[in-house]
Amino acid sequence: GAVVSQHPSWVICKSGTSVKIECRSLDFQATTMFWYRQFPKQSLMLMATSNEGSKATYEQGVEKDKFLINHASLTLSTLTVTSAHPEDSSFYICSARELAGDTQYFGPGTRLTVL
Amino acid sequence: RKEVEQDPGPFNVPEGATVAFNCTYSNSASQSFFWYRQDCRKEPKLLMSVYSSGNEDGRFTAQLNRASQYISLLIRDSKLSDSATYLCVVNEDNAGNMLTFGGGTRLMVKP
Repeated sequence: GAVVSQHPSWVICKSGTSVKIECRSLDFQATTMFWYRQFPKQSLMLMATSNEGSKATYEQGVEKDKFLINHASLTLSTLTVTSAHPEDSSFYICSARELAGDTQYFGPGTRLTVL
Repeated sequence: RKEVEQDPGPFNVPEGATVAFNCTYSNSASQSFFWYRQDCRKEPKLLMSVYSSGNEDGRFTAQLNRASQYISLLIRDSKLSDSATYLCVVNEDNAGNMLTFGGGTRLMVKP
């Protein structure tokens, strides 16, 4: 149990385009989902916390207008990187927390490359 | 100062060796502690939680020293498949909302 999927697994796009990444909890309901970013040889950095039905809470230094987060249901959160630039190239990982738990389960990640 | 600090390594050890990783954290109010394993280009996967009394899972032993704000992971009888990056993770609240990751320690087990 506690499986989290992400789609797509990897994406290559041109500078200036927008990219949407989906995060789904497959066999449990997640009131809270988290979005992380990991640059090469660095650790995961929390970008934002997303609660179902409400606005996401962004970490300091993360532009909310650039990284749009929607958490419309208990099993799906999306992250849209708007007007992506090469410096946005990174490994984006989501995690989901069960309704009655405190453990975060991680998705397999999405590798974004912006040319 | 980083909130969760780890020696980045790499630790190069032969098969069968015992290796230990350390981690320090800055927030004394941290609630819970974990070791995650991350393989190259993959997501982190929970290896084990860390309890004050120390806990063991097969070849892996984790220890927590709250007074010194120090966490350790010991791997005995290293296998080739243990090669990965080990992330020390600290949960700063009770609800699992504030995971802070260390930079990771890379382990390479050689035949």
